[in-house]
Amino acid sequence: GIQVEQSPPDLILQEGANSTLRCNFSDSVNNLQWFHQNPWGQLINLFYIPSGTKQNGRLSATTVATERYSLLYISSSQTTDSGVYFCAVVDFGNEKLTFGTGTRLTIIP
Amino acid sequence: DGGITQSPKYLFRKEGQNVTLSCEQNLNHDAMYWYRQDPGQGLRLIYYSQIVNDFQKGDIAEGYSVSREKKESFPLTVTSAQKNPTAFYLCASSIPSGAYNEQFFGPGTRLTVL
Repeated sequence: GIQVEQSPPDLILQEGANSTLRCNFSDSVNNLQWFHQNPWGQLINLFYIPSGTKQNGRLSATTVATERYSLLYISSSQTTDSGVYFCAVVDFGNEKLTFGTGTRLTIIP
Repeated sequence: DGGITQSPKYLFRKEGQNVTLSCEQNLNHDAMYWYRQDPGQGLRLIYYSQIVNDFQKGDIAEGYSVSREKKESFPLTVTSAQKNPTAFYLCASSIPSGAYNEQFFGPGTRLTVL
């Protein structure tokens, strides 16, 4: 099956810093989603981005489908950005999301 | 408000007991999914259903069962055959419309086997 790798596994930053999270996948995809899992476990949809670039406030994402990676950018980090960020993909001919193991982001005041 | 609800939020069970987790959605989505998350891990698919009265096994279906009698509801039963049921369970739904199939998640149920 398709493999999804996220890096870095852990990231600790000072409030106000910028960060880049990476997601590599091993095959072509027709769905790629970025989620933020908050401390209560809720998965919050950030982006649906199988290709191209999207922006939402301080967050933006870029997927380069031909090179099989996606990047999530967080600017001017706030403590509420802390949590685990997951990338998940659906490969062609499949119907299920395959999740990466996540990046744990900790923002220090 | 449109969304996905899961109940209960926390569930404790004794070994050997079956337990059913509820998942309801009012988004008019056709497809529904159950995932399991273990500490420090990503999510793994248990079962999914793309239409009423039909469902398919995911990657880790052993010890679980589901039903899909209504479009809005997709309950998951954790049976006594599941060897290690303590985990965080998340339900999701989507509109599988051609290439667009964004999934949305409920708040989850934490199951602890005592």
